[in-house]
Amino acid sequence: NAGVTQTPKFQVLKTGQSMTLQCAQDMNHEYMSWYRQDPGMGLRLIHYSVGAGITDQGEVPNGYNVSRSTTEDFPLRLLSAAPSQTSVYFCASSFGGEQPQHFGDGTRLSIL
Amino acid sequence: GENVEQHPSTLSVQEGDSAVIKCTYSDSASNYFPWYKQELGKRPQLIIDIRSNVGEKKDQRIAVTLNKTAKHFSLHITETQPEDSAVYFCAAMANQFYFGTGTSLTVIP
Repeated sequence: NAGVTQTPKFQVLKTGQSMTLQCAQDMNHEYMSWYRQDPGMGLRLIHYSVGAGITDQGEVPNGYNVSRSTTEDFPLRLLSAAPSQTSVYFCASSFGGEQPQHFGDGTRLSIL
Repeated sequence: GENVEQHPSTLSVQEGDSAVIKCTYSDSASNYFPWYKQELGKRPQLIIDIRSNVGEKKDQRIAVTLNKTAKHFSLHITETQPEDSAVYFCAAMANQFYFGTGTSLTVIP
């Protein structure tokens, strides 16, 4: 099993550009999440999904969209990138909400 | 929503000593409390978790205690080793996950 795979690993964007961060898991996990990690602020939940076709907002959803058309994939879209979205983004998956989460390696995103 | 507070933000211990990290939470509906270890530049990895129907759980040198009445839970690492140096995060699950702000643990050889 590859586990949770995130692409790309690094990305530099200009303000106003859009992009999609990819996340895929091969563990048949129903629950998937996106977090951002900023210095001194821990991990903050952006969006999550309890299964295909179902998504919900987390703590910091503004400026981001998600969709869950398959169990395996959970892409995160930045609609119009802003410098405040410079961060490290982690995708995670688990069998259910109250189950251990498996994290991907992260995407380091810089917005100029 | 839930509010998870974690203390201390930094902790230095001598090799072989114990380390304790404490977290408090606000939502009494939280029922699942995992702890993650994150080494520099790496992904967070689960080290231990506890559910609300259990007061204590132990796995070798690592233990977690939970006091639901007081809404706090703690991570205990005994016989610390240099490879325990990392950032540790607590979390609480109440419909969604809320993480603490992390504790940077340094084990001095």
